[in-house]
Formats: sequence, C-alpha cells, structure tokens
Amino acid sequence: KQEVTQIPAALSVPEGENLVLNCSFTDSAIYNLQWFRQDPGKGLTSLLLIQSSQREQTSGRLNASLDKSSGRSTLYIAASQPGDSATYLCAAYGGSQGNLIFGKGTKLSVKP
Amino acid sequence: NAGVTQTPKFQVLKTGQSMTLQCAQDMNHEYMSWYRQDPGMGLRLIHYSVGAGITDQGEVPNGYNVSRSTTEDFPLRLLSAAPSQTSVYFCASRQGGSNTYNEQFFGPGTRLTVL
Repeated sequence: KQEVTQIPAALSVPEGENLVLNCSFTDSAIYNLQWFRQDPGKGLTSLLLIQSSQREQTSGRLNASLDKSSGRSTLYIAASQPGDSATYLCAAYGGSQGNLIFGKGTKLSVKP
Repeated sequence: NAGVTQTPKFQVLKTGQSMTLQCAQDMNHEYMSWYRQDPGMGLRLIHYSVGAGITDQGEVPNGYNVSRSTTEDFPLRLLSAAPSQTSVYFCASRQGGSNTYNEQFFGPGTRLTVL
C-alpha cells in the first residue's frame, strides 16, 4: 500500500530565503506526483504535476523534482515571500484507478 | 469555466439526520472523487468514479453513498450522520478515467459539523 510522508510538519523561515519541502513515498511504482497549496479554511490549489517520466517541473519560483528510485520528491521555493505562507501537500498517483494518496502536509510560515 | 463547485459551504446536522453534499464540474472530466480532511489524518479518499454509472469505494467509505448519473455531478450522501463524520469534505475531478493520472482539481470544500 502506498504511503506518503512529508517532513517537517511545520517550517518557519525569514522572507527572501530559498527553501525545500520534502515528500517521500513507499512504492516507487507511482505514475505521477502532484503538489498542492492549501490556505487556511480554503480548498486545494494545484501547483505542479510531475509526470513519472519527468525528473523536474517548474512554475515561476517553484521547482519540483521527482526521484522514483529513492522514493522522494522535493518542492523548491525560491526567494520566499510572506504570501507563500500556507500548507503544502504532496500526493502520489498509484494503482490502476488513478487515485491520489496524500501526505499530511508541511505548514510553511514566511516571516517578513 | 467554474471548475469544481460544492454546496453547501457549511452545514450543521444532528446525529441521525441525512443529507446530500453536492459536487459539480463543468470541465467534462470523467474522474470524480470525494475526500474528507481531518486534523492529523490528512486527506482520505471516501468514494470515486471513473465515469458516469461507475463508482467504487475508497479508503473510508462507511456511512456514505454515492451515485454518478451524469458526467457533471457526483453527490455524496450521508445516510445517518454521526459525530465521527464531522469533517471538511472536498470533491475533486480530473480528465480521463481509470489508468490515467492527469492533474486533479479540487472544489472549495464543505465544512460539516454533526452534533
């Protein structure tokens, strides 16, 4: 059974710092992996989808990597801003039905 | 496109009451799903559908029913609400049925409290 873990559960950084959020998964036979952002009391906003054949995907200040052999994905945020404060969730696609399995998230706080 | 829409935004029920959470999408997506989000538990899959007329159970299906009569709508029914069903419920959809792994889009959620 696929399990997704995100460490740390919470992270606080000063504005302007570059940071990395980590995601690990137990079954390397994943298809794709998706990163989301969730603001308090809101729904999930899709940030990046990494296809299983890709190693990286970029959108603006965000860069996500995928290493299936080690069971890891990272989300790199460059030049962090207070507006980046949110909970970041990673989710792995597994199985024949295309269901997403979620980690519990990393709560990011960027201090001005 | 409105994307994925959910109604109501908030709901309070008494134990034993039934209700239906509505979910609709206007992107012609084959796949739709329901998740619940609880503190410390993350998001867990309740039920999903890979196309109209096809539904299946996820990780935590007990106490919930679904049906998929159209591509656009995927309602979630609570048969007899229990306090353990107090949660935030999210509906999601993506293009493609089974064996596809496209980007998934989420609705804004329904906050349900069962007293």
